[in-house]
This record gives sequence, C-alpha cells and structure tokens, in this order.
Amino acid sequence: GNSVTQMEGPVTLSEEAFLTINCTYTATGYPSLFWYVQYPGEGLQLLLKATKADDKGSNKGFEATYRKETTSFHLEKGSVQVSDSAVYFCALRTKSGGYNKLIFGAGTRLAVHP
Amino acid sequence: GAVVSQHPSWVICKSGTSVKIECRSLDFQATTMFWYRQFPKQSLMLMATSNEGSKATYEQGVEKDKFLINHASLTLSTLTVTSAHPEDSSFYICSARDSQGPYSNQPQHFGDGTRLSIL
Repeated sequence: GNSVTQMEGPVTLSEEAFLTINCTYTATGYPSLFWYVQYPGEGLQLLLKATKADDKGSNKGFEATYRKETTSFHLEKGSVQVSDSAVYFCALRTKSGGYNKLIFGAGTRLAVHP
Repeated sequence: GAVVSQHPSWVICKSGTSVKIECRSLDFQATTMFWYRQFPKQSLMLMATSNEGSKATYEQGVEKDKFLINHASLTLSTLTVTSAHPEDSSFYICSARDSQGPYSNQPQHFGDGTRLSIL
C-alpha cells in the first residue's frame, strides 16, 4: 500500500544549524509529495510541495527535492531559527478509491535552541 | 489566502453527550472535505472523506454510527461524535479541498483543530 516513513524525532538543534529531516515513501503510480508544519495547538500548514520527479519545492528557506529513484523527499534548511520549532509532516497524495487522499508520515518534532 | 475555520477550538463535556464540530471553508468552495484524528505526539489519522451532498466514505476501523459526518453545502461539513466517551478524547482536524482547478492539483487546506475532552 501507500505509506510515508519519516525519521524519528525529536531533532534538537542550535540556532543557525543545518537541518535535514529524512522522508521516504512507497506509492503506486505517481504521487504528489508535501511537507506540512504544525505549530503547537494548531492545525497543519502547507510548507512546500512537489508534483513530479526532480521537482524542488521551496518556501521560507526550506526546500525538498522529489527523488523518484530513491523514493525520497528529504526536507532541508541551511540555517534554522527558534521560530522553526514545530512538528513537520511529510505526506503524499495519490488517488485511492476514487479520491485524492493525503497520507501522512508519523511527524518529526524539531526543537531549535538559541 | 484560503482559510478553513473550525469550531469550536476546544470543548469539554460529560461522557454520554454528543458533540458537533463545524468546518467551514471561508473563501473557497470545497466539494470534498476530510476529517482527521490526531493522538498526542502522533500523526494524523484519516477518519473519513465527505463529498458535498453525498454520504461520507469512512476509513477502515472508523465507526460511522459513532462519528456522523454531514456535508450539506460546498462550504460546510460537520462531524458529530455521538454518545462520546473518554476514549473519544482527541484532537480532531478538518481539511477542505479547493474545488477550483485541475483535480490532481487542488490544494487542501486545514483547520486549526478541535481539542475534545470527555470527562
């Protein structure tokens, strides 16, 4: 079936450190890939997306590249800030049962310290 | 930008009561809405998919008689937790897909969630 696997957290970094959160997927067909961010007590916000192989999504200094050969969509940021502390979810969307459904990974909590 | 309003944001009630949660798309039409449940420090679990004017499609293991979903208009879906018990306590999040544009590219927007506590 379709699934998303993320690296386990929490990830703890100092401000200005480099961030990588690994995400790999299993899917039939050609899914679209997403990263969502969830701040404490809130719903999810779309961070970035990529809809086909080799596409790079980017937003707010974060980026991720759709790698079909390795079925990966790793999230990176060159210099994190305290305000980036949140839970990050990797997700894929594919047609299943006639509907486009988002399937989420388990989430990775990021804590950035000054 | 597109906004999904979810209400209430927090509710506490006694065991045995029913609780209704509303999800509204404020500036776009949403033919399809989704309801998720999230346990502490866990991922979102899709409960059901609802299409305007038709019955919801429930995921395996989700009791349709327990979690009633109504999607009566293109901007409103409701989730009613019937005869709620402490094990139903959770964070419920709705999501609405913007009906405009190609089907495969329609963005999905999320509400801020409802924290439900059953005593």
